[in-house]
Amino acid sequence: DAGITQSPRHKVTETGTPVTLRCHQTENHRYMYWYRQDPGHGLRLIHYSYGVKDTDKGEVSDGYSVSRSKTEDFLLTLESATSSQTSVYFCAIRAGGETGELFFGEGSRLTVL
Amino acid sequence: QKEVEQNSGPLSVPEGAIASLNCTYSDRGSQSFFWYRQYSGKSPELIMSIYSNGDKEDGRFTAQLNKASQYVSLLIRDSQPSDSATYLCAVEGGSGDKLTFGTGTRLAVRP
Repeated sequence: DAGITQSPRHKVTETGTPVTLRCHQTENHRYMYWYRQDPGHGLRLIHYSYGVKDTDKGEVSDGYSVSRSKTEDFLLTLESATSSQTSVYFCAIRAGGETGELFFGEGSRLTVL
Repeated sequence: QKEVEQNSGPLSVPEGAIASLNCTYSDRGSQSFFWYRQYSGKSPELIMSIYSNGDKEDGRFTAQLNKASQYVSLLIRDSQPSDSATYLCAVEGGSGDKLTFGTGTRLAVRP
């Protein structure tokens, strides 16, 4: 158990509304990641963080923003949700120093109507 | 252009057989390679990591890496129905910091 909690686990919202997903870790890992997973596309990186207030974009960052004001929390925000953002979102932490192993949270299923 | 390629499957094998899952990658500078297992509706779970050419064994699982051919594979010996899942290959590029995933291969082990 990598001590990762995602919330909410399920959310249904309407197009145009803001949505924030939260990832919380208990083990003080420096690196945190947000991925989305869609059929036919696999896991795609949205944004990641390498420290408090240090974030960078992944391959599918358009329409998403992130914040990390403290080590344990990494927030993913959809400012104005669209139907194309319906997906399963996974948070991950990087453990083991330089080894690069990622451990995933349980996922957040978001449906945008 | 996809950076990590996997056959989507499904790969169907009988119980007790060896399942062979393959992955190719495009970044020659890649240093770290991982296999994840994902059951339907669940999150990916790390099975194996491999960093140098050759084989690495862990129980029924063997990861094989050939950097010259940009190829990594996972062998599952004595396959069990509980091994039925999607297997994701992940590669850390030469610049580090983040993993790129393949789309996964679905494995079905029939009793």
